[in-house]
Amino acid sequence: EAGVVQSPRYKIIEKKQPVAFWCNPISGHNTLYWYRQNLGQGPELLIRYENEEAVDDSQLPKDRFSAERLKGVDSTLKIQPAELGDSAVYLCASSLRGTANSPLHFGNGTRLTVT
Amino acid sequence: AQSVTQLDSHVSVSEGTPVLLRCNYSSSYSPSLFWYVQHPNKGLQLLLKYTSAATLVKGINGFEAEFKKSETSFHLTKPSAHMSDAAEYFCVVRSGGGATNKLIFGTGTLLAVQP
Repeated sequence: EAGVVQSPRYKIIEKKQPVAFWCNPISGHNTLYWYRQNLGQGPELLIRYENEEAVDDSQLPKDRFSAERLKGVDSTLKIQPAELGDSAVYLCASSLRGTANSPLHFGNGTRLTVT
Repeated sequence: AQSVTQLDSHVSVSEGTPVLLRCNYSSSYSPSLFWYVQHPNKGLQLLLKYTSAATLVKGINGFEAEFKKSETSFHLTKPSAHMSDAAEYFCVVRSGGGATNKLIFGTGTLLAVQP
């Protein structure tokens, strides 16, 4: 099966500019996750979707970050405006369900550099 | 709240020697624990998981981990390191009970394998 696909792989922008990341989960996976991984750290959950509904966005900085998952398939994560501290790898993952024992499959991530 | 602590940020071994990556967990109830591996510029891959069945869990690529409740540990081991094992390894605990599938990652251990 095709894995989780993310684009772009790399993005360099100046601070205060907007940026968007795209994720295509594994076909049939209802649950989609966005994680942020800072340098030297483990990934931290930003938002989790069950189909098109965001069921956990408690860690998403809502003043500048937004996400959507139209039709419960692909998802987009946006930052506007970007800050220097947003430099990180943004990981998308999907699972068949949001329940325990449903393993997460991760994409290769988008490495964002804000200058 | 659930958390994991990876005791070593860097581990270096020689090819053919044993690998030990240490992880302690904190949980108010019986946890679900995982080890993920991340090769450079690649997505996270599940190595193995513990979900209250056998305390010795076997994973892919010859890795295994033992759940020790008395020591609140879930250390990852491999009898003989291979050059291809060089990567970053994350110990992970599932947060919350019931149906939730929110993962809490440790800070990672970077494994170097010397020829």
